[in-house]
Amino acid sequence: GEDVEQSLFLSVREGDSSVINCTYTDSSSTYLYWYKQEPGAGLQLLTYIFSNMDMKQDQRLTVLLNKKDKHLSLRIADTQTGDSAIYFCAGISGYSTLTFGKGTMLLVSP
Amino acid sequence: DGGITQSPKYLFRKEGQNVTLSCEQNLNHDAMYWYRQDPGQGLRLIYYSQIVNDFQKGDIAEGYSVSREKKESFPLTVTSAQKNPTAFYLCASEPGQGGYGYTFGSGTRLTVV
Repeated sequence: GEDVEQSLFLSVREGDSSVINCTYTDSSSTYLYWYKQEPGAGLQLLTYIFSNMDMKQDQRLTVLLNKKDKHLSLRIADTQTGDSAIYFCAGISGYSTLTFGKGTMLLVSP
Repeated sequence: DGGITQSPKYLFRKEGQNVTLSCEQNLNHDAMYWYRQDPGQGLRLIYYSQIVNDFQKGDIAEGYSVSREKKESFPLTVTSAQKNPTAFYLCASEPGQGGYGYTFGSGTRLTVV
């Protein structure tokens, strides 16, 4: 099955760009997702990318997909303190269930 | 507004007791899921259901049970057989056609006392 790996922690200063990276193992993954989780809350879908796309931009968020290396990244431009949260990468193929990475904790300092 | 509701937000259980966590959605989604979240371990799938009256075990189903008698509801029972039940439990749903991502509830934090 799918295996998804993420770095565990990222610290940036307010106003900088943040880049959160993810690698996955299943080359047949059809959709890849980024979720955000604030403390004590559920997961909020931020964005997703279909496997036939290389890039998707949505306001301050840019998702890059490198299918050859099975690498996915989420760039947050002009990072704010309100962006501090845990970010999860997830993938799905066929009729399987979503597989999540362990999450990257983003800490934004003023 | 449509959404997915989990209750209660906090739950305390004595050892040896069964407890049931509620999950209700009014999104008309076919598929529903239960995940367990522990610090540093991400989300692990407990059970899922893609249609009423049918459900499948996930990766860590032992000590848990579910039912899916109605499309809107997917309750999770944590039984006394679950040796380490203290965790944050998340319910999710999706239309069932793939590609839309899951919609999550706000979670239930279960603590054994």
